[in-house]
Amino acid sequence: GAGVSQSPSNKVTEKGKDVELRCDPISGHTALYWYRQRLGQGLEFLIYFQGNSAPDKSGLPSDRFSAERTGESVSTLTIQRTQQEDSAVYLCASSTQTGNEQFFGPGTRLTVL
Amino acid sequence: AQSVTQLDSHVSVSEGTPVLLRCNYSSSYSPSLFWYVQHPNKGLQLLLKYTSAATLVKGINGFEAEFKKSETSFHLTKPSAHMSDAAEYFCVVKEYGNQFYFGTGTSLTVIP
Repeated sequence: GAGVSQSPSNKVTEKGKDVELRCDPISGHTALYWYRQRLGQGLEFLIYFQGNSAPDKSGLPSDRFSAERTGESVSTLTIQRTQQEDSAVYLCASSTQTGNEQFFGPGTRLTVL
Repeated sequence: AQSVTQLDSHVSVSEGTPVLLRCNYSSSYSPSLFWYVQHPNKGLQLLLKYTSAATLVKGINGFEAEFKKSETSFHLTKPSAHMSDAAEYFCVVKEYGNQFYFGTGTSLTVIP
């Protein structure tokens, strides 16, 4: 079956603009994660969704960042009023409820000019 | 509290020689442990995982890792490096709950 997909693969935007990144998890996966990976660095947890439970937003760096997920399907990560320090690869992963393996998407490379 | 420490940010080996990538963790519970690999411009791929079964875990591409509770370590090894092993490697810890904690990564260079 299909893996995790993300769109767009690349996004270039101007400082101050809003951007929306999309993640399509593997069908049937109840858990969905967003991470940020700055150049040459490890993964930084942003937010976690599990089924219909309230999301764990503890990793969101500021109130400019938000994410939504409808049921157990698509998720969107929105960054408002983008800043240059938001430039990074944004990775999405999904897993089953037991969560013993994450499956990663290819990422969206965001460049803020 | 939990944390993951990858002791080397860069490792360089010659082709055909052994690989050792070190990972130590701190955890209050019995964790699940993972190694992921990220090739340039590619997505993250699971190499292997430990989930409280055998302490020596075999993964893909000839990699293996040993869970040592007394040393709180989960080092990744491979007997003979191949050029295609050049990549970034991440050690990951998951304990109670569903949040995964990533190490900062080790960049592996393989010299021909």
